[in-house]
Amino acid sequence: SQQGEEDPQALSIQEGENATMNCSYKTSINNLQWYRQNSGRGLVHLILIRSNEREKHSGRLRVTLDTSKKSSSLLITASRAADTASYFCATDVRAQGGSEKLVFGKGTKLTVNP
Amino acid sequence: DVKVTQSSRYLVKRTGEKVFLECVQDMDHENMFWYRQDPGLGLRLIYFSYDVKMKEKGDIPEGYSVSREKKERFSLILESASTNQTSMYLCASSTTLYETQYFGPGTRLLVL
Repeated sequence: SQQGEEDPQALSIQEGENATMNCSYKTSINNLQWYRQNSGRGLVHLILIRSNEREKHSGRLRVTLDTSKKSSSLLITASRAADTASYFCATDVRAQGGSEKLVFGKGTKLTVNP
Repeated sequence: DVKVTQSSRYLVKRTGEKVFLECVQDMDHENMFWYRQDPGLGLRLIYFSYDVKMKEKGDIPEGYSVSREKKERFSLILESASTNQTSMYLCASSTTLYETQYFGPGTRLLVL
């Protein structure tokens, strides 16, 4: 079963607007991460928030984490056409062999229209 | 900057062929990962390695094997390629198993 699930699956906004994406997860975590993927490329790490943090900022990105609700949100302010990409959340779970691993959600596809 | 490179961006193979996908990282990371990404299914972990010669199965290891003879290199092997292995393959590396992962550009494999 999916550990992290993003919502919405797709989002289309105009340049200059804010974009908000949400991620829900099932089990307790050490941290939650957000990644971006431009079409046909690898993922790029955006931000990591630890389980004892509630909010984190990086440039135009703001991430919140609510461990009581097992959810996180990614806010991109003043969006640009270049922000068009898929955004994934990732959380850590224990793998079959006992090691920790990251599990990625299926992503939110963001389209920013010029 | 961390750099993760993958041997090919695009690859076309025939059913039954043995396929090698190579991944190299230049940051002395202990951990390396192979994922496949399919529309509607997101990223799924195939195998990962937490040290040289050490490996652990991910969620979908069937039909794949891996090799890590050197710290910087992690290879994914399709012993006998099948059409259902047509996918985007992503390699990543990290310092710990559940912190920031650095991804390569991906290899889009088509099996005919």
